[in-house]
Amino acid sequence: GEDVEQSLFLSVREGDSSVINCTYTDSSSTYLYWYKQEPGAGLQLLTYIFSNMDMKQDQRLTVLLNKKDKHLSLRIADTQTGDSAIYFCAESIVRNTGKLIFGQGTTLQVKP
Amino acid sequence: DGGITQSPKYLFRKEGQNVTLSCEQNLNHDAMYWYRQDPGQGLRLIYYSQIVNDFQKGDIAEGYSVSREKKESFPLTVTSAQKNPTAFYLCASSGLDRDTGELFFGEGSRLTVL
Repeated sequence: GEDVEQSLFLSVREGDSSVINCTYTDSSSTYLYWYKQEPGAGLQLLTYIFSNMDMKQDQRLTVLLNKKDKHLSLRIADTQTGDSAIYFCAESIVRNTGKLIFGQGTTLQVKP
Repeated sequence: DGGITQSPKYLFRKEGQNVTLSCEQNLNHDAMYWYRQDPGQGLRLIYYSQIVNDFQKGDIAEGYSVSREKKESFPLTVTSAQKNPTAFYLCASSGLDRDTGELFFGEGSRLTVL
């Protein structure tokens, strides 16, 4: 069945780069997403990548997709304390239904 | 501003009581979803609806019920049959005409059973 796995915790120093990793199992995924959740709030879409792309860059965010290994990563350059949050990887497995499979979320702690 | 509104933000319930969580959207989205979030776990899909007067069970529908009488509204009832209802509940919507399939989320409702 479909499954998305993430490590649960990452700690970095302010100004360093953060890399959050995700693996997924369904090779028919169309889009893959990164969502951010701040404490006690809902999820906000950070970025997404279509499954036929290898990389997408958006300001401080870089998404890398290795379709062969079913591996997705999110790199945040120059990490700030405001980036402290939970980051969820998600895959869309059925086109145009909005049904997403989410990973467990990675808590990013940014130390000053 | 367009968005999704969930209420109440915090809710306490005694065991054996039903409780209804409200979700309203003004994004003109066709599809709406309810997810449950527990610490250290991803989001798990409870129910979803792609059109008014129609909805489908997600992965953990037991002990929950929904209705979709209006496009803007998708309330979730947590019934007394739900064995472990204490959780953070998130409502989301998506426009099915958008190829990217992204979800837009509300701010969540935290339910605590005493």
